[in-house]
Amino acid sequence: KAGVTQTPRYLIKTRGQQVTLSCSPISGHRSVSWYQQTPGQGLQFLFEYFSETQRNKGNFPGRFSGRQFSNSRSEMNVSTLELGDSALYLCASSLGGWDEQFFGPGTRLTVL
Amino acid sequence: QQPVQSPQAVILREGEDAVINCSSSKALYSVHWYRQKHGEAPVFLMILLKGGEQKGHDKISASFNEKKQQSSLYLTASQLSYSGTYFCGTDSLSGGYNKLIFGAGTRLAVHP
Repeated sequence: KAGVTQTPRYLIKTRGQQVTLSCSPISGHRSVSWYQQTPGQGLQFLFEYFSETQRNKGNFPGRFSGRQFSNSRSEMNVSTLELGDSALYLCASSLGGWDEQFFGPGTRLTVL
Repeated sequence: QQPVQSPQAVILREGEDAVINCSSSKALYSVHWYRQKHGEAPVFLMILLKGGEQKGHDKISASFNEKKQQSSLYLTASQLSYSGTYFCGTDSLSGGYNKLIFGAGTRLAVHP
C-alpha cells in the first residue's frame, strides 16, 4: 500500500509570493490534516479535511487555506508569504476522525 | 492549550526504562502518541480514548487519566531504535472545532 505523498519536497519562495502544496493520502483514507512544524513551535495543527469539507481548523491566519478534492487529495495554499512561514509542512491521512494518522515526508518551505 | 510534556529530554542506556508524561488543562477526548526520528515523518504509536479503549503497538504501553487530563507513555527495556522525539497530541474541543494539539516533544536518546 503506497504511503502518503507530498509534493514538492522542497520549495524556496520570496516574501509576498504565494505557494500551493499538495498531499495525496493513502488510498481509502478520507481525512487529511495539515501541520506546520518549526523548531521553536513544534507541530502545529492547521486544518483537517474530510470528504471535501473543512471539518476542523487551528489558529492560523486566513492566509493559510486548503481544499480537498473528490479523490481525497488535498492542497494547502499560503498567500502573501512571510519569513515566519518557513517551516516543514506535513500532511497526514487517516480513515476518519482522529484515528491513527499516517504522515507524509513533508514539504520544506523556505521564505527569503 | 498546548499540552505540557515532561521531561523535555531523556538519555538512557539500552535496557533502561523511561516514562514520558503529558498533561493538559482542557478536558480531553483522546490522547495520541507519535515518535519522530530526525529527518523523518512522525510515526503513530498509540491512541488512548476516553473510556479506556486503546489502539496501538503491542510493545508500547501508556495510560490515560481522564480526570486529571494526563497521559504517560511507558518505554521499557529501551532499544537503540527507540531514540527520537516523542510527541503527545491531545484531542479537545476549542472554538467549536475538534483540534489535535501536540506538545513540544520529549527528546529520547538511547545509547549502547
